[in-house]
Amino acid sequence: QSALTQPPSVSGAPGQRVTISCTGSNSNIGARYDVHWYQQFPGAAPKLLIFGNSNRQSGVPDRFSGSKSGTSASLAITGLQAEDEADYYCQSYDSGLTVFGTGTKVTVL
Amino acid sequence: QVLLQESGPGLVKPSETLSLTCTVSGGSISSTTYYWGWIRQPPGKGLEWIGNIFSSGSTYYNPSLKSRVTITVDTSNNQFFLKLTSVTAADTALYWCARGDFWSGSPDWGQGTLVAVSS
Repeated sequence: QSALTQPPSVSGAPGQRVTISCTGSNSNIGARYDVHWYQQFPGAAPKLLIFGNSNRQSGVPDRFSGSKSGTSASLAITGLQAEDEADYYCQSYDSGLTVFGTGTKVTVL
Repeated sequence: QVLLQESGPGLVKPSETLSLTCTVSGGSISSTTYYWGWIRQPPGKGLEWIGNIFSSGSTYYNPSLKSRVTITVDTSNNQFFLKLTSVTAADTALYWCARGDFWSGSPDWGQGTLVAVSS
């Protein structure tokens, strides 16, 4: 069981679109398991943004979207806003065990 | 809405056992739909999954922690527990309990509890 790989950081100007990749393998994302995405602010619990690869959790702005293809998944933020500056984690399963991504810090320039 | 609350000592000595309780309200821990899990985050680092338990008592642990971790459930009191033995400074972290399922992820988390390992 290995962590899912994410870029350490991404950045963009307000209004721009940024994407965060989440790379796994045939034993996790490439298998039948869904990918979920979380947003985390310092010292706070992670907040579920996207579940089941592409479904927005209730109350999540529609500028957040998710997708999955093969052994990878992506989170896109369109119309980036200052309040989106946070850490983001993908999460899936590997042979029934939970696995998190390495995390990506999104910076709004 | 389901609420989860972690409780336990904030300071544990090296080589001793870390013990945390997660109390669930607003929903039954006996639900067969969900798993109940523990996740931690060392200072300045990413999220690390510790383990999950189902109401049946079936458990799944992070292989890197499996030899030291035990998660149990008390359905009568709507609580589940984490025990981590032989702790070191590397176990210093913010610990959360959460509810989840394979299709919906984990929408419900506790507020977290900081556990420091130090003599």
